[in-house]
Amino acid sequence: DAKTTQPTSMDCAEGRAANLPCNHSTISGNEYVYWYRQIHSQGPQYIIHGLKNNETNEMASLIITEDRKSSTLILPHATLRDTAVYYCIVRGPNFGNEKLTFGTGTRLTIIP
Amino acid sequence: DADVTQTPRNRITKTGKRIMLECSQTKGHDRMYWYRQDPGLGLRLIYYSFDVKDINKGEISDGYSVSRQAQAKFSLSLESAIPNQTALYFCATSDPRGTSGVYNEQFFGPGTRLTVL
Repeated sequence: DAKTTQPTSMDCAEGRAANLPCNHSTISGNEYVYWYRQIHSQGPQYIIHGLKNNETNEMASLIITEDRKSSTLILPHATLRDTAVYYCIVRGPNFGNEKLTFGTGTRLTIIP
Repeated sequence: DADVTQTPRNRITKTGKRIMLECSQTKGHDRMYWYRQDPGLGLRLIYYSFDVKDINKGEISDGYSVSRQAQAKFSLSLESAIPNQTALYFCATSDPRGTSGVYNEQFFGPGTRLTVL
């Protein structure tokens, strides 16, 4: 699975959009980008995933660059409850290799 | 009710003791996982199971064993606990058929905080 690089920490003002970057320059053609978050020692929670097209769901948007070497998770209107560690994970489709490799992630702090 | 439950939620034990952490799920998923998390670090996979007859080692299986008693239950054992096994332990499940609509979406339990003195 491709390695990812994320900033260690970020701050964002409440109500503003939080943009979390992730570099995955060694991503291969069949690998997806997944985002999970972990709120204060709770179990991680799935947010969104994508292959090459931009994706949006009720939680967030995922913007993947055309060369797929980087992506950005966007929380459009951050709230205090979005304070968490955000993990960007790159891996292949579901062919029996189910392991998710969590790096150290980005600690996002929403400022009131 | 939570879909993935873990017991106990907190445990303090002594070096050399045997301890079992239990995980139960009501999601009907075939696949289950055990991860550990050390302070300031991401999660690392200990063991995973694709069904009741299938057990696989993860990246840090030494010092641990598991048992898949049923589709819904997956237990992690520390035969002789040592202090560097002090960590937060998470159980997770997933559905390879992707009925959640998402490949590789894993559903995590609330965690067990284990301290080995």
